[in-house]
Amino acid sequence: QQQVKQSPQSLIVQKGGISIINCAYENTAFDYFPWYQQFPGKGPALLIAIRPDVSEKKEGRFTISFNKSAKQFSLHIMDSQPGDSATYFCAASIRGGSEKLVFGKGTKLTVNP
Amino acid sequence: DTEVTQTPKHLVMGMTNKKSLKCEQHMGHRAMYWYKQKAKKPPELMFVYSYEKLSINESVPSRFSPECPNSSLLNLHLHALQPEDSALYLCASSQKGTPLLGTEAFFGQGTRLTVV
Repeated sequence: QQQVKQSPQSLIVQKGGISIINCAYENTAFDYFPWYQQFPGKGPALLIAIRPDVSEKKEGRFTISFNKSAKQFSLHIMDSQPGDSATYFCAASIRGGSEKLVFGKGTKLTVNP
Repeated sequence: DTEVTQTPKHLVMGMTNKKSLKCEQHMGHRAMYWYKQKAKKPPELMFVYSYEKLSINESVPSRFSPECPNSSLLNLHLHALQPEDSALYLCASSQKGTPLLGTEAFFGQGTRLTVV
């Protein structure tokens, strides 16, 4: 019930293309969904987050789409750039609950020039 | 200042050594965390401190001993580690979770630990 399933495990996209990473969860108590970006040798950096009362959130080239009934959410990276090459983790937590983030297994994104 | 600062960046220690990892944040966050991350894996929660009190221990072996001296500092004391404990150790902090705010944790750059 605590699991967040993330796919694909790896993704190769051409520069200028759209990168799409998907996550699904089972625990309906989750109500906060952050995405993290991690470059090799660095800590994860918070990218964007969404609550389930919103179906979409956009920040620059990054968009989260949320489907509450399907218990799925996804990250779209528009106009992907080589500098976006990193590992992306989706995560879930319970607002006002324990300070516990449940992470997906990660997606390694490579954007070719 | 949205930074979580970890020292040292790299650490090599023998199995009989005692060492400490340090973490500092000045964002006024009242929840602080230690995570362990192996290569190509997501961060794995070890400990959570909430208002300087240990609130979550994810069944971590006693050779790892956390300490929260004040609201800005978090230490992880290491003793008699095994080679399999080699990993990236990440500190993170967040505002205390509320009904309006989820756990947006801000991570430090990590300490790359090698146990020989």
